[in-house]
Amino acid sequence: DAKTTQPPSMDCAEGRAANLPCNHSTISGNEYVYWYRQIHSQGPQYIIHGLKNNETNEMASLIITEDRKSSTLILPHATLRDTAVYYCIRWETSGSRLTFGEGTQLTVNP
Amino acid sequence: ETGVTQTPRHLVMGMTNKKSLKCEQHLGHNAMYWYKQSAKKPLELMFVYNFKEQTENNSVPSRFSPECPNSSHLFLHLHTLQPEDSALYLCASSQDATETQYFGPGTRLLVL
Repeated sequence: DAKTTQPPSMDCAEGRAANLPCNHSTISGNEYVYWYRQIHSQGPQYIIHGLKNNETNEMASLIITEDRKSSTLILPHATLRDTAVYYCIRWETSGSRLTFGEGTQLTVNP
Repeated sequence: ETGVTQTPRHLVMGMTNKKSLKCEQHLGHNAMYWYKQSAKKPLELMFVYNFKEQTENNSVPSRFSPECPNSSHLFLHLHTLQPEDSALYLCASSQDATETQYFGPGTRLLVL
């Protein structure tokens, strides 16, 4: 199984940056790091993905270490609507199977 | 987001009923997926369709029968389900089976 390790829960104050870590120490060279989030009882929402370089889009930034063994998802200015379970997933795009783990429950507090 | 829609959003059915879940994607994608998410469990992939052909069946019981009439529509036909089949059923689509998947809102199913 393609495993990642994430803290089960994190808290963040509204308006502050939320930094969500993910460990993927056994990642192989052709596996991407994908991030999704799931707000309670809704479908998962794609956030961002990357292979080696740091990536940024309108939702978040993804920082991948040079050795690719870990990454951090950054929500620059967290809002209450960012409260969700965040999933870090290793994915080799030659296969269609996205394997979701337990994720990190991020709670943004007012 | 309305790229991937699912109907109904909620469904209650008895064990002897037959019902169908519908998924429609408006993204011009060629691959579609069914996932199951039981309470307090990770998402589990059920079926994959790529260009209308089923390419993966993750050992799903035959009481779940998928149908993909075209690249925009995916159905999950349900019959003689068990209470343990109660879950959130999620549909996703992607440009092809190697690209980023986008999910619908899900159908919350309760089997009595």
